[in-house]
Amino acid sequence: GAGVSQSPSNKVTEKGKDVELRCDPISGHTALYWYRQRLGQGLEFLIYFQGNSAPDKSGLPSDRFSAERTGESVSTLTIQRTQQEDSAVYLCASSLGRRARGTEAFFGQGTRLTVV
Amino acid sequence: KQEVTQIPAALSVPEGENLVLNCSFTDSAIYNLQWFRQDPGKGLTSLLLIQSSQREQTSGRLNASLDKSSGRSTLYIAASQPGDSATYLCAVKDNYGQNFVFGPGTRLSVLP
Repeated sequence: GAGVSQSPSNKVTEKGKDVELRCDPISGHTALYWYRQRLGQGLEFLIYFQGNSAPDKSGLPSDRFSAERTGESVSTLTIQRTQQEDSAVYLCASSLGRRARGTEAFFGQGTRLTVV
Repeated sequence: KQEVTQIPAALSVPEGENLVLNCSFTDSAIYNLQWFRQDPGKGLTSLLLIQSSQREQTSGRLNASLDKSSGRSTLYIAASQPGDSATYLCAVKDNYGQNFVFGPGTRLSVLP
């Protein structure tokens, strides 16, 4: 596609429910990143994919968070048993990846998650 | 562990001024540095990417410089306009990991 697409753009969920956030990277981009941005704060790294594997999961804040990627394309970030502290904007980015490590990262518009 | 800081945290200037935003990083072993802007409630828009071997990059009224040895980058905005009002973020990709480490941002307001 023309850019990184994320869905839904907004999600309101009740505490304790599971949510899935979706990211469609730019076609041909093998590297995919998830970040979290709490209100008024900076970007917090969550996970990085190269192809379908995730060599760096160091940023996932707890075992309630998981992510997968299939077909070197779409990625889903799943948050189980959501808590109010999970409320944030979740941003996805993609880049050409390992073969061109110096290339730019392009971000989607984010999913604003509100846990009530 | 790489840490990125940005000064100032916020800046308000009248339209037409030239201005400089600063970014510092603690580990000079970086692969590249990227400047972004973020409008309220929006995602990030890439402005400039500087490879570790480069000293500067230019795009329109924007010029970014990189001094890797001192761990600094500056974003120069010429003839600022109200439409430049946004939060400006710098991010570095280091040689050890694959993720980008972001600074906290500089919130810029350009007054008409």
